[in-house]
Amino acid sequence: GAVVSQHPSRVICKSGTSVKIECRSLDFQATTMFWYRQFPKQSLMLMATSNEGSKATYEQGVEKDKFLINHASLTLSTLTVTSAHPEDSSFYICSARDRLAGGQTQYFGPGTRLLVL
Amino acid sequence: AQTVTQSQPEMSVQEAETVTLSCTYDTSESDYYLFWYKQPPSRQMILVIRQEAYKQQNATENRFSVNFQKAAKSFSLKISDSQLGDAAMYFCAYRSADFGNEKLTFGTGTRLTIIP
Repeated sequence: GAVVSQHPSRVICKSGTSVKIECRSLDFQATTMFWYRQFPKQSLMLMATSNEGSKATYEQGVEKDKFLINHASLTLSTLTVTSAHPEDSSFYICSARDRLAGGQTQYFGPGTRLLVL
Repeated sequence: AQTVTQSQPEMSVQEAETVTLSCTYDTSESDYYLFWYKQPPSRQMILVIRQEAYKQQNATENRFSVNFQKAAKSFSLKISDSQLGDAAMYFCAYRSADFGNEKLTFGTGTRLTIIP
């Protein structure tokens, strides 16, 4: 149980285009999902907290208009990187909390590698 | 704000031996959760072990155990009988017990190498 998937696993796009990344909880309901960014050889940095049916909460320094988050259902959150630029190239990871299991642990997706040319 | 410190960027251990990874944290809260996550080359984050701050007993999961010292704000991970599959980045993480404040704060990680 507690499986989280992400799609796509990797994406290459041209500068100026938008990219959408999906995060799904496959076998549990997730009222809260989290989006992280990880640069090479660095730790995970929380970008935003995604709440089902409400607006996301962004961490300081994260542009909400650039990183659009939608959490329309209990099993799906999406992150859209708008007008992507090379500096947005990174590894993006989502995680989800199992609401019914008491939710103390976050389970992570396999990540999405984004390369902006 | 809470901070998590992992002072060992890299560690190595002989296969079948025991290794301990260090983690310290800073918080003014009395109730919280601590985690160790493993990130192998696939980059999939895998939960290794979890500790609730209100529990005095150290958590154990098979070959993995922690030494939780609340007063010292220390949370080390001991891996016994190290196996080649244990090679990975290990991240220590903190989470408040406050409802609505669920975000994880990660340390900078320790890269563990297993020597055959």
